[in-house]
Amino acid sequence: GAGVSQTPSNKVTEKGKYVELRCDPISGHTALYWYRQSLGQGPEFLIYFQGTGAADDSGLPNDRFFAVRPEGSVSTLKIQRTERGDSAVYLCASSLGRGLFNNEQFFGPGTRLTVL
Amino acid sequence: DAKTTQPNSMESNEEEPVHLPCNHSTISGTDYIHWYRQLPSQGPEYVIHGLTSNVNNRMASLAIAEDRKSSTLILHRATLRDAAVYYCILRDVYETSGSRLTFGEGTQLTVNP
Repeated sequence: GAGVSQTPSNKVTEKGKYVELRCDPISGHTALYWYRQSLGQGPEFLIYFQGTGAADDSGLPNDRFFAVRPEGSVSTLKIQRTERGDSAVYLCASSLGRGLFNNEQFFGPGTRLTVL
Repeated sequence: DAKTTQPNSMESNEEEPVHLPCNHSTISGTDYIHWYRQLPSQGPEYVIHGLTSNVNNRMASLAIAEDRKSSTLILHRATLRDAAVYYCILRDVYETSGSRLTFGEGTQLTVNP
C-alpha cells in the first residue's frame, strides 16, 4: 500500500521567504510527526500530532515554525522568514497511535530544503 | 531522557553476521529499546523493539542484557542492502515525550562485498 509521501521532494528558496512543506500520512494513522535532519546528524524531533491537535510541539525551534493538521490527515509545516540555518531535510512520519503495540513510525522520503 | 551510546561506525563482510552494540546505562523500567535504520537518501525505517526479552523478526534479532543496560542488534547475514545508519532509541510510551523518537548519531554500518 501507499506509504508516507512528502511534497515537494526538493525546495530551494531565498533567505526571508515563506515555505510550506506537505506530508500525506498513511491512511488511518492518527499520529503524525515532523523531524528535521541536518547533514551527518540523526533526525531531530519538531512536533507530534494526535489527530488534529498538536500533542507535543516542544521541538519547534522558534516561532517562525508552525505546523497544522486541520482534518487529522494531511499536515503542513510552515516556515516564515527562512534563514540559511533552516536548510535541512524535513522528515514526516506517521503511526497508528500511541499504544504500546502500534507505535512503529513510518517515515516519508523527506523534503530537502535549501535556503540561499 | 535516558541516553544511548553507539559506536560511530562498523564494518562487516557480506553474508556474515553483524552485532551492533548499544549502551543505555540510565534506562528506566518503562523504556522500550527501539532500533531504526536509515538507508542512504531515505527516511528511517523501523527494525525491531523490545523491553526485557530477546526478540526476533524477519529483519533482525535483538538481544537485551539481563540488567537492560545494554543491547545488541544482530543481523544474521549481512547483505549490501543492509549498509545504513543504525539508531538505538529508548522510548517510554507511557509519557507523551515517549511518542517522539530521540535519535543520536547512530552507527554507520559498511558492508563489504
